[in-house]
Amino acid sequence: QKEVEQDPGPLSVPEGAIVSLNCTYSNSAFQYFMWYRQYSRKGPELLMYTYSSGNKEDGRFTAQVDKSSKYISLCIRDSQPSDSATYLCAMSAYNFGNEKLTFGTGTRLTIIP
Amino acid sequence: DTAVSQTPKYLVTQMGNDKSIKCEQNLGHDTMYWYKQDSKKFLKIMFSYNNKELIINETVPNRFSPKSPDKAHLNLHINSLELGDSAVYFCASSNEGSQQYFGPGTRLTVT
Repeated sequence: QKEVEQDPGPLSVPEGAIVSLNCTYSNSAFQYFMWYRQYSRKGPELLMYTYSSGNKEDGRFTAQVDKSSKYISLCIRDSQPSDSATYLCAMSAYNFGNEKLTFGTGTRLTIIP
Repeated sequence: DTAVSQTPKYLVTQMGNDKSIKCEQNLGHDTMYWYKQDSKKFLKIMFSYNNKELIINETVPNRFSPKSPDKAHLNLHINSLELGDSAVYFCASSNEGSQQYFGPGTRLTVT
C-alpha cells in the first residue's frame, strides 16, 4: 500500500462546476501538505500548501486538511478550462522546503467548456 | 529567465547505453533534487543534494549516479540503461522554508 493514495481519475466536469479532489495518507508524521498542478508536458508547480490541520483559501481554491482522518482535499470553485491539468497532492514530515516530498499518483482533471 | 532548467528535454536511446541529464537552477537555492515520474504520473524522489552533499538517496539502482559540481548544478548519469528506466525525470530545487521549484522535465525513452 502506498503512503499516499489518490484517485487517478480521469475526472471530467463542465465549466463552472465545483471540483473536489482528495488524498488519504497513512504516515501520521506528515505535517506539511501541498497541492501541485501539472500541465501536460510541464513540471509540477505549487498551487497551495497547508501546515497541519485546517483550511486555507486562495481565490477559487480551498485546501483542507483533517489529520485525525489522514485526509486532505482541494476544492476548485467556478472551474475554468485553464484548470485542466493533473493535480498532485504531496506531503512531508519535518520541513516545507528541504525535505523529500511524498506524492500521490495525481488526478487528471478536464474542464469541458 | 528559467528558474530550473534541464537538458536535454527529450532523450531517446538504446538499452545498454550510458546517458547524462543536466540540471541548473538560478534561484540561489541550497538544495536540489531528482525525481522520477512514471507513465502513470507517479512522482517519486530519487536523490537530494544540499550544498553539494548527498542528503537523500532513495532505493535507486546504483546504475544511477548523481553529481553536484556546485550548488547550482545537479547532474544525473545513468549507466547500462534498461527499458524500465523510461520515464520523465524532474529536477527541483529549494531552500529551507521555501517550496520546491521543478524543472520542465527530461523525457527519457529507452528502446
